[in-house]
Amino acid sequence: KQEVTQIPAALSVPEGENLVLNCSFTDSAIYNLQWFRQDPGKGLTSLLLIQSSQREQTSGRLNASLDKSSGRSTLYIAASQPGDSATYLCAVTQAGTALIFGKGTTLSVSS
Amino acid sequence: GAVVSQHPSRVICKSGTSVKIECRSLDFQATTMFWYRQFPKKSLMLMATSNEGSKATYEQGVEKDKFLINHASLTLSTLTVTSAHPEDSSFYICSATSQETQYFGPGTRLLVL
Repeated sequence: KQEVTQIPAALSVPEGENLVLNCSFTDSAIYNLQWFRQDPGKGLTSLLLIQSSQREQTSGRLNASLDKSSGRSTLYIAASQPGDSATYLCAVTQAGTALIFGKGTTLSVSS
Repeated sequence: GAVVSQHPSRVICKSGTSVKIECRSLDFQATTMFWYRQFPKKSLMLMATSNEGSKATYEQGVEKDKFLINHASLTLSTLTVTSAHPEDSSFYICSATSQETQYFGPGTRLLVL
């Protein structure tokens, strides 16, 4: 059974810092991996989608990497801003199935 | 990009009543939609897989007679919480699949008093 783990559960940093969020999964036979952002009481916003054949994806200050063989992904946020404060969720899918989510990392960026 | 809507966004109801939540794919057809539930400070948990024209597949521990799912068309799936109780209060999110990518609705916050 696929399990997704995110470390750390919570993170507080001052504005301007670069940071890394970690995600690991137990079954490397994934179709893709997604990183989402969730603001309190809101739905999900998809940040980056990495197909199983890809190693990384970049969008603005965000960079996500995928090492499928070791079952790991990282989300790198450069020059963090208070507006980045949210919960970040990692989720994997295996062909034709629903996403399996980690419990998320709650990020707080102070000004 | 693909857009998924949910209605209503928030609902407050009395215990014992039924609540219907709609999930629509606005600009694409989705043969498969998923329903998730999220309790406070918890991760999203899959409740059921909704397939157009057939019965939904429920995850273990989810009561199919309590959470009725209807996927009558390629753009609409509904989740009805029957005889809602306070413990059903949660954030319900749907997603629809297009080309193996899931697109999420904005969620519906249900509060049962």
